[in-house]
Amino acid sequence: GENVEQHPSTLSVQEGDSAVIKCTYSDSASNYFPWYKQELGKRPQLIIDIRSNVGEKKDQRIAVTLNKTAKHFSLHITETQPEDSAVYFCAAAGLGNEKLTFGTGTRLTIIP
Amino acid sequence: NAGVTQTPKFQVLKTGQSMTLQCAQDMNHEYMSWYRQDPGMGLRLIHYSVGAGITDQGEVPNGYNVSRSTTEDFPLRLLSAAPSQTSVYFCASRQGSSYEQYFGPGTRLTVT
Repeated sequence: GENVEQHPSTLSVQEGDSAVIKCTYSDSASNYFPWYKQELGKRPQLIIDIRSNVGEKKDQRIAVTLNKTAKHFSLHITETQPEDSAVYFCAAAGLGNEKLTFGTGTRLTIIP
Repeated sequence: NAGVTQTPKFQVLKTGQSMTLQCAQDMNHEYMSWYRQDPGMGLRLIHYSVGAGITDQGEVPNGYNVSRSTTEDFPLRLLSAAPSQTSVYFCASRQGSSYEQYFGPGTRLTVT
């Protein structure tokens, strides 16, 4: 089955700086890669996703890049703000998305 | 729309007891899933359903049963609770034509 590895497990960034979280996946058939943000005690919420026919996608301060050859994808957050502090999860899924495999999460802390 | 709802929010069980975690969605989504979230392990898929009357196993199905008699409801049954099932349980749903999963608020289960 699919295996998703996520790094780093914790990340501290000065407010206003950029944060990058990286994930690798094992199944070359995976074609959908979402990123979820989870605040303490809350449910995971989708913040951005990318499909395998696209190399990069941006949404305001958030961007995701995908390298299918190397089987890795990354989340980039620019101009970080205190409300960006949360745990971020990457995930991967194949055709039909019946089985979404998650990474182990990155706890991002924005230092004011 | 209430979205995805889960009950109860918190539950404490003794080893060997049984219980059912409830999940309901009012978005007419075909796909529904159950995940468990443990510290440092991300979210792991327990069972999923692609429509009423159809269920299948995920990554960690042992000790759990599911059924899907209606589109709206997808209960998760613990037949004989074990301390290893102490976790936060999330239900999720999505439309068949979309990749985006919507998560419920979660149930925190403790088995003593």
